[in-house]
Amino acid sequence: EAQVTQNPRYLITVTGKKLTVTCSQNMNHEYMSWYRQDPGLGLRQIYYSMNVEVTDKGDVPEGYKVSRKEKRNFPLILESPSPNQTSLYFCASGPRSGANVLTFGAGSRLTVL
Amino acid sequence: AQSVAQPEDQVNVAEGNPLTVKCTYSVSGNPYLFWYVQYPNRGLQFLLKYITGDNLVKGSYGFEAEFNKSQTSFHLKKPSALVSDSALYFCAVRDPYSSASKIIFGSGTRLSIRP
Repeated sequence: EAQVTQNPRYLITVTGKKLTVTCSQNMNHEYMSWYRQDPGLGLRQIYYSMNVEVTDKGDVPEGYKVSRKEKRNFPLILESPSPNQTSLYFCASGPRSGANVLTFGAGSRLTVL
Repeated sequence: AQSVAQPEDQVNVAEGNPLTVKCTYSVSGNPYLFWYVQYPNRGLQFLLKYITGDNLVKGSYGFEAEFNKSQTSFHLKKPSALVSDSALYFCAVRDPYSSASKIIFGSGTRLSIRP
């Protein structure tokens, strides 16, 4: 089944404790992206990647890091989480060009205390 | 700069009645337009898209959307609502000359269908 898999789905952590949210896709998509969803703000893009070893900032990159060492994986790293990073996070993938339809993961709900 | 607006935070409709979820956009040139749906505890799922051609686009679960270039709108519609249509709906837009990274999402509209 074609899918984007995120882990963990739920996480409660404390300020300053480094964490990684993994994202993996099995559709050989070049493009991958991370979004955060907050009430009233819709989806805001954090980072994206157009291909292996190619990453770039989205609209709200502060406090986050990403890497793209393999085509299928695009982990989101919070080096020192803060309470304002409490949010629902989505990973998505899609074709690099054309009328791209994105496939989303099920989401990761992160709470930073 | 491109943008997309969903003017209603919530839409309430009785089951069996027609529904409309509004979306307006701003983008240079002819846009790519999308609707996605998010059910509770799930990721966004693709519903339909407009690229070119017929202004009325049909998608999954009986939904359709009408592209109106003069009004820069792409409203989502369904002739007869079901309780199971209750979900959060997102409109999205992209300039066809930009890359996948430039897909912009609206703030979402929560659709509530009462029995």
